Amino acid sequence: GAGVSQSPSNKVTEKGKDVELRCDPISGHTALYWYRQSLGQGLEFLIYFQGNSAPDKSGLPSDRFSAERTGGSVSTLTIQRTQQEDSAVYLCASSFHQGGNTGELFFGEGSRLTVL
Amino acid sequence: SQKIEQNSEALNIQEGKTATLTCNYTNYSPAYLQWYRQDPGRGPVFLLLIRENEKEKRKERLKVTFDTTLKQSLFHITASQPADSATYLCAPYNAGNNRKLIWGLGTSLAVNP
Repeated sequence: GAGVSQSPSNKVTEKGKDVELRCDPISGHTALYWYRQSLGQGLEFLIYFQGNSAPDKSGLPSDRFSAERTGGSVSTLTIQRTQQEDSAVYLCASSFHQGGNTGELFFGEGSRLTVL
Repeated sequence: SQKIEQNSEALNIQEGKTATLTCNYTNYSPAYLQWYRQDPGRGPVFLLLIRENEKEKRKERLKVTFDTTLKQSLFHITASQPADSATYLCAPYNAGNNRKLIWGLGTSLAVNP
């Protein structure tokens, strides 16, 4: 497709289970971001991938969270041993870096995670 | 620390009026600033980007200003329509932040018919 695709769109899981969220960015976009948004809150940065550089993981809230980006394209965000406070919408965005600028971000529709 | 402040109160205006949303930032000097729109249950959508050397940028009914002295950006929607109702997010870019945008909490706008 032409846009950023995320799956699943909704995920309900039990506390303690692991979940994987997938992001398929726009083809050719070198940068990929994961954000978390809780109800009524702003965007919380989680992790950023840029080309072949080491990812910026400074926003990951705990070691239960990890992400990878295979082949510079699809990314998976994994949350291990989920907790109720992990319930949120997880948004993925991609961007094409031009020179030193970031460029606009293209967001997916998000994956809504509910931990019971 | 770097901080972004947007109108915390929801903005309610009458259709046809101009909506003005404010974004203030402190403790850094962004090279540019982006504005996004977010509808409930959807991801943000890019609207406009304004650079530090630009005072004003326009796109159809939208106008953004950027005052680096006041450390403020204003976002205007003229001839507002109910379809403009959404949350608007401000995101200044700081090159020193490893290319990450810093996001405001957004301002909720409701345009009443």
